[in-house]
Amino acid sequence: AQKVTQAQTEISVVEKEDVTLDCVYETRDTTYYLFWYKQPPSGELVFLIRRNSFDEQNEISGRYSWNFQKSTSSFNFTITASQVVDSAVYFCALSLLRGAGNMLTFGGGTRLMVKP
Amino acid sequence: GAVVSQHPSRVICKSGTSVKIECRSLDFQATTMFWYRQFPKQSLMLMATSNEGSKATYEQGVEKDKFLINHASLTLSTLTVTSAHPEDSSFYICSARDPQQGTTPYNSPLHFGNGTRLTVT
Repeated sequence: AQKVTQAQTEISVVEKEDVTLDCVYETRDTTYYLFWYKQPPSGELVFLIRRNSFDEQNEISGRYSWNFQKSTSSFNFTITASQVVDSAVYFCALSLLRGAGNMLTFGGGTRLMVKP
Repeated sequence: GAVVSQHPSRVICKSGTSVKIECRSLDFQATTMFWYRQFPKQSLMLMATSNEGSKATYEQGVEKDKFLINHASLTLSTLTVTSAHPEDSSFYICSARDPQQGTTPYNSPLHFGNGTRLTVT
């Protein structure tokens, strides 16, 4: 069975610090997709990134960057120069190629608190 | 971009009553929608997959008779919590995939509604 682990339940940083959110997944499938979502205090889930298992290129989008390492089954997310608006719960999720296609298995989430 | 609208955002009801939550895809058609439940400070757990024109598929441990799902059109799915009890108090979130995004059903991101916070007193 698939599983997503976000070992850090809460992280607190001071504004402008860099912070990395860890995500480790488990699956026997060779093809799969990984996602990161952000859930601010208002509750809605915001899509940040998707990555397929064949694409191990790291990606950078502004202050956000993602490091996908298939060898260690990790898909870590780094925020550079964090801001107070980055405070939210971040979820890593795994999607397998079966069933309805979009059943996401979510990690437990990491609550990030950025203090001014 | 794709938008999923969920209504109501908050509802407080008395124990024993039923509550209906609507999930609409506003600018795309969704043959499949997903209902998740989130307890405070916990992750999202898939409750059921709503299929347009057919029965919903429920995850193990989710009571079909308690959480009634209807997907009557390509843009609307409803979740009815029947005879609600305090333990049903939770954050319910629906999601759907825009079929025009991504190259397969598996790599397109799910778009989520803003969620419904249900409190049963």
